[in-house]
Amino acid sequence: QQQVKQSPQSLIVQKGGISIINCAYENTAFDYFPWYQQFPGKGPALLIAIRPDVSEKKEGRFTISFNKSAKQFSLHIMDSQPGDSATYFCAAPIDNAGNMLTFGGGTRLMVKP
Amino acid sequence: DTGVSQDPRHKITKRGQNVTFRCDPISEHNRLYWYRQTLGQGPEFLTYFQNEAQLEKSRLLSDRFSAERPKGSFSTLEIQRTEQGDSAMYLCASSLNGPTAWAQYFGPGTRLLVL
Repeated sequence: QQQVKQSPQSLIVQKGGISIINCAYENTAFDYFPWYQQFPGKGPALLIAIRPDVSEKKEGRFTISFNKSAKQFSLHIMDSQPGDSATYFCAAPIDNAGNMLTFGGGTRLMVKP
Repeated sequence: DTGVSQDPRHKITKRGQNVTFRCDPISEHNRLYWYRQTLGQGPEFLTYFQNEAQLEKSRLLSDRFSAERPKGSFSTLEIQRTEQGDSAMYLCASSLNGPTAWAQYFGPGTRLLVL
């Protein structure tokens, strides 16, 4: 039973375009929402994160938008590049003590040159 | 390289054999997590340590699995009597304690194949 539901499962974007990945959650006790990027054969790498009391966070070409009332958050990759082709996971801590992460199912992004 | 390291990177074993994986966290991190990732899925939490204490175990962690972190530094994950269903990537992550514990940094993983 996924506590964080991610969509789409796969995404193809042209170079220079905007990639948008969405996540929905149920547990209102989540207090941080990180995004991870994973290349084939590698471990997930922490990309960017947001707290639920913030509506948007931007780091370079990566932006997280947060909609607390809808219990949704999304990752936007501006000016997408072929090097961004990877699998992206949204996540949230299962509880606020141990901070064990629960992950979405992942979105496989392909950026075409 | 001062990131999380894991050893071995790949392991092929026969069903019924025991295997052990090692994780070396980022040196100043006192939390260490183990996750399992199957193909096409997100990582699933298995267990975590704060220093040498194992504080939480997932229901996914059957009694064939055991993890240790004897001196609060590196950790080992042992799987006894491996089964084909154990084939997966085993990921280790570490973090600081406190309000940034959610910021977990992952190692490259150990890919296990049980024949």
